[in-house]
Amino acid sequence: GQQLNQSPQSMFIQEGEDVSMNCTSSSIFNTWLWYKQEPGEGPVLLIALYKAGELTSNGRLTAQFGITRKDSFLNISASIPSDVGIYFCAGQGRLGAQKLVFGQGTRLTINP
Amino acid sequence: SQTIHQWPATLVQPVGSPLSLECTVEGTSNPNLYWYRQAAGRGLQLLFYSVGIGQISSEVPQNLSASRPQDRQFILSSKKLLLSDSGFYLCAWSPTSRVYNEQFFGPGTRLTVL
Repeated sequence: GQQLNQSPQSMFIQEGEDVSMNCTSSSIFNTWLWYKQEPGEGPVLLIALYKAGELTSNGRLTAQFGITRKDSFLNISASIPSDVGIYFCAGQGRLGAQKLVFGQGTRLTINP
Repeated sequence: SQTIHQWPATLVQPVGSPLSLECTVEGTSNPNLYWYRQAAGRGLQLLFYSVGIGQISSEVPQNLSASRPQDRQFILSSKKLLLSDSGFYLCAWSPTSRVYNEQFFGPGTRLTVL
């Protein structure tokens, strides 16, 4: 089946640094989603991408839908302590598909 | 606006005991509903999903089952819990009216089987 490779698995950064993570696949996806999960809570949808090449921002977060439709990245600028958590990418293989494929997550730790 | 609830928030159960976790959604009709399990520090494993009342699709063979007795209610059950059933259980919903499957998650239930 379809799989997503998310990297890095974990990141340890200083407050104020920029962060970049990505998801890649050998399969084409028609929708890319980025979620953030804080400890003990459910994932929260941060950004949704619907078209190849699309670049979307949500505050300090920016995500892009790769032109090949096989990848997506998420950038966080000027990190702050509340950015700590696990970030998941998710892809929808075809429009109308009822399931998502999730990456394994990137755990972000920030040193103040 | 839409809201998704899960209860209980935490649960400690002995091996061999039954399980019932409940998920309800407010503010929408005929949603797609999903149950995921997340082991500590790991990714999300899809267990079941439902596109309508009484319609359940199982993704992983196991001793768990799901039911959807009402449009906005999704229940995860087990007759006899195993140690390996411990984990964080997440319910999610997505609107059926869209071709894009943005899923929205509930707060989760932490299950510990002893």
